[in-house]
Amino acid sequence: EVQLLESGGGLVQPGGSLRVSCAASGITFSNSAMSWVRQAPGKGLEWVSSTTASGDTTYYADSVEGRFTISRDNSKNTLYLQMNSLRADDTAVYYCAKVLYSGGRCFDYWGQGTLVTVSS
Amino acid sequence: EIVLTQSPGTLSLSPGERATLSCRASQSVSSNYLAWYQQKPGQAPRLLIYGASSRATGIPDRFSGSGSGTDFTLTISRLEPEDFAVYYCQWYGTSTMWTFGQGTKVEIK
Repeated sequence: EVQLLESGGGLVQPGGSLRVSCAASGITFSNSAMSWVRQAPGKGLEWVSSTTASGDTTYYADSVEGRFTISRDNSKNTLYLQMNSLRADDTAVYYCAKVLYSGGRCFDYWGQGTLVTVSS
Repeated sequence: EIVLTQSPGTLSLSPGERATLSCRASQSVSSNYLAWYQQKPGQAPRLLIYGASSRATGIPDRFSGSGSGTDFTLTISRLEPEDFAVYYCQWYGTSTMWTFGQGTKVEIK
């Protein structure tokens, strides 16, 4: 059974930093491109960032470029998102998702999400 | 920049009825990279359709996808109680990366 388990969310002040993690099991993590997708309260889905299976190439949405960093530790089957200079509009549930390359780069498995709240 | 516009915003139907959801791209896109997801309250999205018309693993055959160019459709042939949810289309492009539509809510009439 595939499981993606996010952790590390919480309340952070504007301008602060937070790192969220995603522990994967049931997949060959080192062969899997991975992504972060977020959803602000009551809103739709927004792609945030992606990384290739090896981690040597990363991609970012314009809204987070220069503030967020995606990384992975394939020895620990874990994906990370380091979030700096956080703003109120970064408040959202952050989902990690596996990329299905053979399926047109869609997201075939999702975690349950972790809530990040940016507020003073 | 590709923009995906979903319509209608809300679809009010009864169980057993047919649901037709639209996703329109601002310019012609490859259907290979068009997907549909279902999201229920408090849950993560679930992949339904990829490549515009291929059902994901475990998805019932009452769900079908079609379309090409700028117009794509998700059809639910006969709504089951568990199908009332929000549905998103999504497209991948090398320049814009992953783009989602704003969603269509299918609610019980």
